[in-house]
Amino acid sequence: SAVISQKPSRDICQRGTSLTIQCQVDSQVTMMFWYRQQPGQSLTLIATANQGSEATYESGFVIDKFPISRPNLTFSTLTVSNMSPEDSSIYLCSVTQGAHEQYFGPGTRLTVT
Amino acid sequence: GESVGLHLPTLSVQEGDNSIINCAYSNSASDYFIWYKQESGKGPQFIIDIRSNMDKRQGQRVTVLLNKTVKHLSLQIAATQPGDSAVYFCAENAQRTGGGADGLTFGKGTHLIIQP
Repeated sequence: SAVISQKPSRDICQRGTSLTIQCQVDSQVTMMFWYRQQPGQSLTLIATANQGSEATYESGFVIDKFPISRPNLTFSTLTVSNMSPEDSSIYLCSVTQGAHEQYFGPGTRLTVT
Repeated sequence: GESVGLHLPTLSVQEGDNSIINCAYSNSASDYFIWYKQESGKGPQFIIDIRSNMDKRQGQRVTVLLNKTVKHLSLQIAATQPGDSAVYFCAENAQRTGGGADGLTFGKGTHLIIQP
C-alpha cells in the first residue's frame, strides 16, 4: 500500500488563526480525501481533493472554512481557517488504491485554544 | 496519547478467545465495505474489505460477514492477541450528496480490549 505522511503531526493554535496541513504520498494516486475525527468520535469525510480542479465538499463543510489544494497526484493540503476550539480534532488524509481500497495517513492532531 | 475509544462501545475478551465486532450500516445502496483498526495516536489501518456481491470473506485470522437483508456487517477475529487491542471501525462506500466517488461513511466504532 502507499506510504502516506502528514505534516505537522500535531499543533496547538490560537483561535482566529489558520493552519495548513500537508499530505504527501509516495506514489501517484487518483483519489485523495480529507477526514476529520473529533475527540472520541468516528471519522467524517470533509471533502474529496480533485487534482486540477476544486475539491468536492460534503454537507456541512465549506471551501471558505476548509480550503483544499491538490496541485499534483502525490500531494494535497487542507487549511483549517479562522479556527475555534470546536475545530480541535484529528485531521486525516487518505488515498484510494486498487478499485476501492482506501489507506490513511497518520493524522494531524490539532488543538485550538 | 488521547484515547479514540473514550466515547465508544467497549468489547472485552480474553486473550486467545475469538471476538466478534458488529456494525449496522444505513445505506442499502452501499456496495463496498471496509473494516479498519485504529490504535491510539495512529491513523486507521486497513484490515479487510468485502463487496456487496459477497456474504463472507476471510483473511489472516479475520473474517468479515455481510448480511444485506438486515444491513449488518461483522468482523470476527480468531485467537485474539494483545496487539489486537484497538478501536475498530466499519466503513461503507455509499452514494454521496457531494458526488465524490469512493468517499467513505464510517460507523461509530468499537473499542476492543484484550485481557490477559
